[in-house]
Amino acid sequence: AQKITQTQPGMFVQEKEAVTLDCTYDTSDPSYGLFWYKQPSSGEMIFLIYQGSYDQQNATEGRYSLNFQKARKSANLVISASQLGDSAMYFCAMRGPSGSARQLTFGSGTQLTVLP
Amino acid sequence: AAGVIQSPRHLIKEKRETATLKCYPIPRHDTVYWYQQGPGQDPQFLISFYEKMQSDKGSIPDRFSAQQFSDYHSELNMSSLELGDSALYFCASSLTSSADTQYFGPGTRLTVL
Repeated sequence: AQKITQTQPGMFVQEKEAVTLDCTYDTSDPSYGLFWYKQPSSGEMIFLIYQGSYDQQNATEGRYSLNFQKARKSANLVISASQLGDSAMYFCAMRGPSGSARQLTFGSGTQLTVLP
Repeated sequence: AAGVIQSPRHLIKEKRETATLKCYPIPRHDTVYWYQQGPGQDPQFLISFYEKMQSDKGSIPDRFSAQQFSDYHSELNMSSLELGDSALYFCASSLTSSADTQYFGPGTRLTVL
């Protein structure tokens, strides 16, 4: 069974600073995908970044980067130069291996608040 | 770019009533997923369809059923509604690939009174 753990229920960061949101995962499958989603207070679920288990490089998308440490089974999200609009709930999620269940398993989320 | 469309955005029902939620995936996406997110919780997978066939089932109550139609839109039918069914229901779609990134719709907020 797959499991995602996010140990930070809430985080605060000063505007323009960088912040790291932690995510650890557990799976026995060699092939999997890791995702981060942002959920603002309005409720929509916004895709941010993806990391495949076989990807050699850490994923980056604009101000978002994923610090992927396979041996430690961690996939931390780094947001650089935080903006007020980054205040939201952030979910780490895992997708199963190819050819089988493709649904996402989510962590419990981290509520990020960016302070002016 | 086109996104996933869900309707209605808000729905209020009484206990024991039925509800139908609709989802229109991103064009050319071949897989549709339904998730339920209770208040203060993470989304939980309900059911998925690949090329109009049910592909996987999660924690979906027997009172719920879903299908995907020939035009790829999907409907989640919920009967004998209970107070605990009050939640945000997401539809997501993806195109089979190495990433299989799921793009979520805006959600339908269901309130059962």
